[in-house]
Amino acid sequence: SQTIHQWPATLVQPVGSPLSLECTVEGTSNPNLYWYRQAAGRGLQLLFYSVGIGQISSEVPQNLSASRPQDRQFILSSKKLLLSDSGFYLCAWTGGAGYGYTFGSGTRLTVV
Amino acid sequence: EDQVTQSPEALRLQEGESSSLNCSYTVSGLRGLFWYRQDPGKGPEFLFTLYSAGEEKEKERLKATLTKKESFLHITAPKPEDSATYLCAVQAGGSYIPTFGRGTSLIVHP
Repeated sequence: SQTIHQWPATLVQPVGSPLSLECTVEGTSNPNLYWYRQAAGRGLQLLFYSVGIGQISSEVPQNLSASRPQDRQFILSSKKLLLSDSGFYLCAWTGGAGYGYTFGSGTRLTVV
Repeated sequence: EDQVTQSPEALRLQEGESSSLNCSYTVSGLRGLFWYRQDPGKGPEFLFTLYSAGEEKEKERLKATLTKKESFLHITAPKPEDSATYLCAVQAGGSYIPTFGRGTSLIVHP
């Protein structure tokens, strides 16, 4: 069966520090991968998605970046965090268009 | 532009009191409509995919229905463990990206 792993679960980082969140999927190949952010009381905001290794599409211009170094690995990064980067970050995968997402357990990021 | 509106924003029910959540949508060529359940502090959990008007799917106390303009998530005789935020999303044909609604927060009191 397919599983998705996302870590860490919680993170407190100072303003200006770097960020690296990792997501891996097991039990499938060539998944579509996604990074979302969910702010308190707001909906899901798509940050990045990838349909293949090295293929990254950015939905929102900001100080975050994403990379897909391996087929089932998706990394969200920042060189310098801002206070506004605080939120709940979710990784998700799907087998293709028309299929529902499987979400990771999320990372609660607090920038202080 | 695809749009999804969920109502109500919040719903409080007594245990056993059946009700429905609404998801109204506009999309250019529906590929799929999705329902998710999200517990506080966790990632959303996939519930259903509906592909065409008239389709219905059930899971325990939940039943999802679909028309050309909206979807309903019917909750029959809810229990406190059904308390969660329910998210609706639509995906247009040819798109990898679904559009999510803001969700309905459901609280079921014992």
